[in-house]
Amino acid sequence: KAGVTQTPRYLIKTRGQQVTLSCSPISGHRSVSWYQQTPGQGLQFLFEYFSETQRNKGNFPGRFSGRQFSNSRSEMNVSTLELGDSALYLCASSWRVAGAGDEQFFGPGTRLTVL
Amino acid sequence: AQSVTQLGSHVSVSEGALVLLRCNYSSSVPPYLFWYVQYPNQGLQLLLKYTSAATLVKGINGFEAEFKKSETSFHLTKPSAHMSDAAEYFCAVSTGANSKLTFGKGITLSVRP
Repeated sequence: KAGVTQTPRYLIKTRGQQVTLSCSPISGHRSVSWYQQTPGQGLQFLFEYFSETQRNKGNFPGRFSGRQFSNSRSEMNVSTLELGDSALYLCASSWRVAGAGDEQFFGPGTRLTVL
Repeated sequence: AQSVTQLGSHVSVSEGALVLLRCNYSSSVPPYLFWYVQYPNQGLQLLLKYTSAATLVKGINGFEAEFKKSETSFHLTKPSAHMSDAAEYFCAVSTGANSKLTFGKGITLSVRP
């Protein structure tokens, strides 16, 4: 079974631009969560989608948004990029809403660099 | 609210020595606890998880962790370190009502030959 895939793996943007990252969950998984990883703040939860609905959201500004499609694939968008948005963005999937201690399977991440 | 504390950012052990990575959590409800490992330029891989069954949890690659409610701890151990264990290790907590994982800052494990 294929794992979680994320595209692109690396991305370079300039301040003020916007970016869209894509995540394809493991086949059969309906929940997709996004995390931001930076050296200073560590791993922080962005949001979770299940059945095309946002179920949970972290403490990030409105510039960060996401969506999920009917095939469970998810995208996240960051508008008006800032230097501080440079990070590794990780996507994780699970077969249901990731409660009750269900394992979340992580993709390799997208490394975003903002210049 | 839930939180995780991983004291120290770096642990160095000799190959064959005991590995002990500490994790303390805070949660107002019974927690689910996880240990993940991250190798360079890769995502996170689950080592083991605690979900209120056995308090001693065995995971992959010879790792295990013990849930101690009285100490609010979930320390990760491995009897004998291998060079391939060098990586970053994250402890995380979630609760049944909230799906998000709250991670600790992570600990980098180095293994000396």
